[in-house]
Amino acid sequence: DSGVTQTPKHLITATGQRVTLRCSPRSGDLSVYWYQQSLDQGLQFLIQYYNGEERAKGNILERFSAQQFPDLHSELNLSSLELGDSALYFCASSVVGERNSPLHFGNGTRLTVT
Amino acid sequence: AQSVTQLGSHVSVSEGALVLLRCNYSSSVPPYLFWYVQYPNQGLQLLLKYTTGATLVKGINGFEAEFKKSETSFHLTKPSAHMSDAAEYFCAVTDSSGSARQLTFGSGTQLTVLP
Repeated sequence: DSGVTQTPKHLITATGQRVTLRCSPRSGDLSVYWYQQSLDQGLQFLIQYYNGEERAKGNILERFSAQQFPDLHSELNLSSLELGDSALYFCASSVVGERNSPLHFGNGTRLTVT
Repeated sequence: AQSVTQLGSHVSVSEGALVLLRCNYSSSVPPYLFWYVQYPNQGLQLLLKYTTGATLVKGINGFEAEFKKSETSFHLTKPSAHMSDAAEYFCAVTDSSGSARQLTFGSGTQLTVLP
């Protein structure tokens, strides 16, 4: 158990809808990362937050947004969903946002868009 | 920009045989390198990491990896495969930006262990 909690585990929704994925980082971790894993794109970095502030942005679509709250949990909002958004979304956390601190991953949320 | 290439999307070995999973990287700055393992329906678990210092890095479950700058490689090995090693393995490299962290992952290698 990594200590990173993601909810829900599975989500099935229709095209055009909006969903929110939730992540609770490990106790004491200030940095949260979101990744998307799909068969065709592999593991893609979406966005990083550190202590409530956006730190880095990767291949995140404009339809997607995220935030980190004062209690350090994070939410990833996906809107105007398309079939291609079906993927496994991982949250990871680390103590700090530095290069050598390892990431601890949650078990992911599997999103299916029909 | 950094990138990672994992040679072989599928590797099969017999139980007790040597495991060798290949990873080559590209980075504009001295890299920090990682190997992660993903079991079915689970998240990624850190196996080992190289930051600085000793180039042979030992990780969990008997795995180790050697950083070879001249070859830009960070191959993962285990002397004797066990059935429980069957999983997908990802090599990753950090980006070059200062305090921000963005791991770039390879496409993964699915390891099958045959009885």
